[in-house]
Amino acid sequence: KAGVTQTPRYLIKTRGQQVTLSCSPISGHRSVSWYQQTPGQGLQFLFEYFSETQRNKGNFPGRFSGRQFSNSRSEMNVSTLELGDSALYLCASSPGLAPHSSTDTQYFGPGTRLTVL
Amino acid sequence: QKEVEQNSGPLSVPEGAIASLNCTYSDRGSQSFFWYRQYSGKSPELIMFIYSNGDKEDGRFTAQLNKASQYVSLLIRDSQPSDSATYLCAVPKVGSTLGRLYFGRGTQLTVWP
Repeated sequence: KAGVTQTPRYLIKTRGQQVTLSCSPISGHRSVSWYQQTPGQGLQFLFEYFSETQRNKGNFPGRFSGRQFSNSRSEMNVSTLELGDSALYLCASSPGLAPHSSTDTQYFGPGTRLTVL
Repeated sequence: QKEVEQNSGPLSVPEGAIASLNCTYSDRGSQSFFWYRQYSGKSPELIMFIYSNGDKEDGRFTAQLNKASQYVSLLIRDSQPSDSATYLCAVPKVGSTLGRLYFGRGTQLTVWP
């Protein structure tokens, strides 16, 4: 079974621009979560989508948004980029059907490395 | 207080030794606990999860959970240079789905030949 895929793998943008990142979950997985990883803050949860609905949201400003499509693919968008948005953005998928069961574990994609200049 | 804290390391052990990685969590209601391994430049890879008090073994890895003391640990027996990585402890937000994890800052492990 193919793993989680993310595109693009690397991205360079300038301050003030916006960016869209894409994530395709493992086949059959319906939950997609997004995380930001930086050396200073570590891995931080952004949001989770399930069946095209945002199920959880982390403590990030409204510049960070996401959506999920009917095929479970997800995108996240960051508007008005700031230097501090430079990070590795990770997407993780899980079946999502038993979201409180410890069997509903998350599997991460390779990430998108975003650099904001 | 952070939701998840890990002994900061870095930790360095010789090949063949036991590496012990520790993690404490703040919410007594936490039920599930995950260990991820992250090689430099790569994404986290799930290696263990545990939700019952006691030990859970999988090959050379043993996860230990003590809910009364609110800590979870990971032991790596017969450590190999290929185990050199950052190990991340993760706990779901209580009352939320497992799709929302709090991660510790990680412990960097180096196994030297």
